[in-house]
Amino acid sequence: KNEVEQSPQNLTAQEGEFITINCSYSVGISALHWLQQHPGGGIVSLFMLSSGKKKHGRLIATINIQEKHSSLHITASHPRDSAVYICAVSARGTSGSRLTFGEGTQLTVNP
Amino acid sequence: NAGVTQTPKFRILKIGQSMTLQCTQDMNHNYMYWYRQDPGMGLKLIYYSVGAGITDKGEVPNGYNVSRSTTEDFPLRLELAAPSQTSVYFCASAHVWGGTDTQYFGPGTRLTVL
Repeated sequence: KNEVEQSPQNLTAQEGEFITINCSYSVGISALHWLQQHPGGGIVSLFMLSSGKKKHGRLIATINIQEKHSSLHITASHPRDSAVYICAVSARGTSGSRLTFGEGTQLTVNP
Repeated sequence: NAGVTQTPKFRILKIGQSMTLQCTQDMNHNYMYWYRQDPGMGLKLIYYSVGAGITDKGEVPNGYNVSRSTTEDFPLRLELAAPSQTSVYFCASAHVWGGTDTQYFGPGTRLTVL
């Protein structure tokens, strides 16, 4: 079993829909990261959080440390949101601030 | 700032050849990382460095070597390339002080070994 599990693996939505991507992890963490991988392959960090909730534009990330679960929400989705969304955790006690990654969720938003 | 740059963008190698993937960052970050991404799989850490002169193995270090002689550069060396090393390679850097921090990724190098 992977230390970081994402669901769903693939998600297709219509423009304007509210989207939720889930991430569960099995280790104690110091932080959880959400990243976006563009169709061209580039990877950018969206959020880093260790508690509560963060919001940036139409993106919202939440984390429940007790349940070892995080969600990434996209409000009013748009075709430009089509990308792979990756959850990663920095496990407590690991050296080098190393990240363990989920396999990603492929999101397609149709116009 | 250019951020994290990687060269080359694409490369095809024959089995047994060697090459170096270059990575440079201009953000004065102390930590640098090399990952590989195989189709349908999560990113896997190959090697990382917490500062110039200090490197350590990640999850999948076999067949690779690294060095970190300066803060800016973190090259990844492939010796005796094998088809199993066909992958997309990402370099990343972060400023880490007392905890974890956001990692900044390069554009990736797509390597094919035939």
